[in-house]
Amino acid sequence: QLQLQESGPGLVKPSETLSLTCTVSGGSISSSYYWGWIRQSPGKGLEWIGSIYYSGSTYHNPSLKSRVTMSVDTSKNQLSLEMSSVTAADTAVYYCARHATGMAEFDKWGQGTLVSVSS
Amino acid sequence: QLVLTQSPSASASLGASVKLTCTLSSGHSSYAIAWHQQQPEKGPRFLMKLKSDGSHSKGDGIPDRFSGSSSGAERYLTISSLQSEDEADYYCQTWGTGVVFGGGTKLTVL
Repeated sequence: QLQLQESGPGLVKPSETLSLTCTVSGGSISSSYYWGWIRQSPGKGLEWIGSIYYSGSTYHNPSLKSRVTMSVDTSKNQLSLEMSSVTAADTAVYYCARHATGMAEFDKWGQGTLVSVSS
Repeated sequence: QLVLTQSPSASASLGASVKLTCTLSSGHSSYAIAWHQQQPEKGPRFLMKLKSDGSHSKGDGIPDRFSGSSSGAERYLTISSLQSEDEADYYCQTWGTGVVFGGGTKLTVL
């Protein structure tokens, strides 16, 4: 069955770039799905960061677009997220997830990875 | 603007039923949504996709106790025969040019 696993540094310094990877197993990342990134600040709700198709086309949350880069590595079956110029407000659990069809509902989620922004 | 509104909290007794509401913003009453459950200290889990006509398709392994319905701009999640493990945050999600989440409802099982 499909599984998603986020990974990356748990601590990032302010003004630096946050880099995360989502490894997909049990299925191909190239199988005509969109893949999304979502985050959840401590004690808060879910916030969509952006989504990417295996071909590389992307959709972004306008509030984060200027700082976010998403990519797909089909050879490794991985997604990547980079967020630049981070501040303490970017401290959150970051999730990757699969859209069921097109840019519709997320039907598979990763477990999430906590990223803290602190000097 | 596409917005989803949820009540911050709800409570119901063990074994009872509860109906959670997600309201679509004006002009978006035809939109489908999804319901997700987030148990404490866990990642979200997809429960179901719910269309404006009330038809819904559930995720893998979701019990029959979870059902969805719709009325106008309101989308509902009903959980019957409440169990302790149903105590969780419930989020609705929709999509247009991007993805939108509701603020979530914290369900307490008494």
